[in-house]
Amino acid sequence: EAQVTQNPRYLITVTGKKLTVTCSQNMNHEYMSWYRQDPGLGLRQIYYSMNVEVTDKGDVPEGYKVSRKEKRNFPLILESPSPNQTSLYFCASSLNWVNTEAFFGQGTRLTVV
Amino acid sequence: QKEVEQNSGPLSVPEGAIASLNCTYSDRGSQSFFWYRQYSGKSPELIMFIYSNGDKEDGRFTAQLNKASQYVSLLIRDSQPSDSATYLCAVISIRGGSQGNLIFGKGTKLSVKP
Repeated sequence: EAQVTQNPRYLITVTGKKLTVTCSQNMNHEYMSWYRQDPGLGLRQIYYSMNVEVTDKGDVPEGYKVSRKEKRNFPLILESPSPNQTSLYFCASSLNWVNTEAFFGQGTRLTVV
Repeated sequence: QKEVEQNSGPLSVPEGAIASLNCTYSDRGSQSFFWYRQYSGKSPELIMFIYSNGDKEDGRFTAQLNKASQYVSLLIRDSQPSDSATYLCAVISIRGGSQGNLIFGKGTKLSVKP
């Protein structure tokens, strides 16, 4: 089954404790991205990747890191999480960036206390 | 800053009516336009895409695009309570001519009353 898998689905952590949210897709998609979704602010892009070893900042990259060592995986790293990073996070992938459908993971609800 | 604007709603329509959702975008170079539906607590799912000016129909859904006015809309005919969700307009925003990314509006919440 074609899918984008995020883990964990729910996470409560403390300020400053490094964490990684994993994202994996099995569709051989080139393009992957991370979004955060907050009430009243909608989906905002954090980082995106055009292909292996090619990543770039989205609209809200501060406090986040990403890597794309393999085509299927695109982890999101929070080196020192803060309470303002409490949010619902979505990973998405698409065949390319031009005009194809984005498939979303199930979401990760992160709470930083 | 490239933007996609939507009326946040809520938009309330009776069952069986036509729901009309609107979206404007600022990047005149955008070529690809999408409508996603998101149920509360779930991930967005694609319902329509449109690339050319005019109308595109798929079942009860019709997407309309007017690039000159930088306007895209979604019509839902014979609205059902199961259509109650947040509808996200998304646009591919070009960066530097050789790459781009998918920018979302904040969404319009639709409520279909039985």
